[in-house]
Amino acid sequence: QSALTQPASVSGSPGQSITISCTGTSSDVGFYNYVSWYQQHPGKAPKLMIYEVTNRPSGVPDRFSGSKSGNTASLTISGLQAEDEADYYCSSYTSSNTRVFGSGTKVAVL
Amino acid sequence: QVQLVESGGGVVQPGRSLRVSCAASGFSFNRHAMHWVRQAPGKGLEWVAVISYDGSDRFYADSVKGRFTISRDNAKYTLYLQINSLRAEDTAVYYCARDLAMKYSCDYWGQGTLVTVSS
Repeated sequence: QSALTQPASVSGSPGQSITISCTGTSSDVGFYNYVSWYQQHPGKAPKLMIYEVTNRPSGVPDRFSGSKSGNTASLTISGLQAEDEADYYCSSYTSSNTRVFGSGTKVAVL
Repeated sequence: QVQLVESGGGVVQPGRSLRVSCAASGFSFNRHAMHWVRQAPGKGLEWVAVISYDGSDRFYADSVKGRFTISRDNAKYTLYLQINSLRAEDTAVYYCARDLAMKYSCDYWGQGTLVTVSS
């Protein structure tokens, strides 16, 4: 199972919007609406930001939103803030009943 | 509140075995599937294994199949990962995570335990 493909880095200025893509296959992202997104600050455990493609857990700001088209899922951060600077990982359920993570994207707030 | 606390990491020689544990509290442990996820130093997250709420189903990443065994003791609220024939590439922080029921996501994570494979 190969890792889902994410851009290595994305940057934006405070207040701007950025989008992180996550490309998989028809055996994972493209087939199931079970894509999640995680935020990880240095030295910390990951935090769930989005589940089932578009749903936000309680406590996650509505600046974070998710979507999917075909084999590619996306995470959009609107109104970028300094505390959003972190690594972001997508994840998907797969046809083998396993999970697969994306390669990770470092978000920089300029 | 939900807490997951990993333990059992350390420095281990190649070829040896190690068992890491995850003590859960603050929720009904026997109602949730549980995962192990690892992260090599400076690298991304790698999903390792999942076990169903009652231990009847277990699934593994291809990279660890045959060497790793996930198990749980619901009476003790504890999750385990047995790692055999350790290799240098198994060096990583090992996180346990709770499965968000029926949502195929991990909603709570431990702080991780570092396993270093070195002679």
